[in-house]
Amino acid sequence: AQTVTQSQPEMSVQEAETVTLSCTYDTSESDYYLFWYKQPPSRQMILVIRQEAYKQQNATENRFSVNFQKAAKSFSLKISDSQLGDAAMYFCAYRNYNTDKLIFGTGTRLQVFP
Amino acid sequence: DAMVIQNPRYQVTQFGKPVTLSCSQTLNHNVMYWYQQKSSQAPKLLFHYYDKDFNNEADTPDNFQSRRPNTSFCFLDIRSPGLGDAAMYLCATSREPIGQGAWNIQYFGAGTRLSVL
Repeated sequence: AQTVTQSQPEMSVQEAETVTLSCTYDTSESDYYLFWYKQPPSRQMILVIRQEAYKQQNATENRFSVNFQKAAKSFSLKISDSQLGDAAMYFCAYRNYNTDKLIFGTGTRLQVFP
Repeated sequence: DAMVIQNPRYQVTQFGKPVTLSCSQTLNHNVMYWYQQKSSQAPKLLFHYYDKDFNNEADTPDNFQSRRPNTSFCFLDIRSPGLGDAAMYLCATSREPIGQGAWNIQYFGAGTRLSVL
């Protein structure tokens, strides 16, 4: 069975600085998708960034980028120029290519200090 | 504008008293999901609907049921809530199931936090 591990329960960063959130996963599949979701306090979870396993190029979305290391089964999220609005719980998620099921990690709570 | 709406945001029930959580969507998505998220744990898929086809996860307790009367609404029924069912319940939707669209991005509601007394 696939698993997703986020080893950092909490992280903090100063405004305008860069922070990296870690995620590792375990799978025997070769085709899959990886996601980072953001869950602000009392608000809905929203997709931050996504990556297809067969693509070697790391995904980027404005200030958010990933470091995808397929062999190491690692999928870290880098947030550049952190903003107060980035404070949230961040979930790493995995999905097999041919299923509907998202498998989440336990999340990393990110605090952003002015 | 909220696209996946969950009501109520907070629900308190008594041990053993049936409770229903609701979810509605304005996205006209075919697929609707229910997740259970316990404190400090990962969200866990309970079941999902593709249109009216119900797909239960193998480890979802029988105490949890779901109904989808139309495209827009989906309900989570907990027949006899126990203390261990206290959690955040997340509803999500996606446009189409796997195989018809590679990404199948899921859109989440803000959740209903259930307390069991």
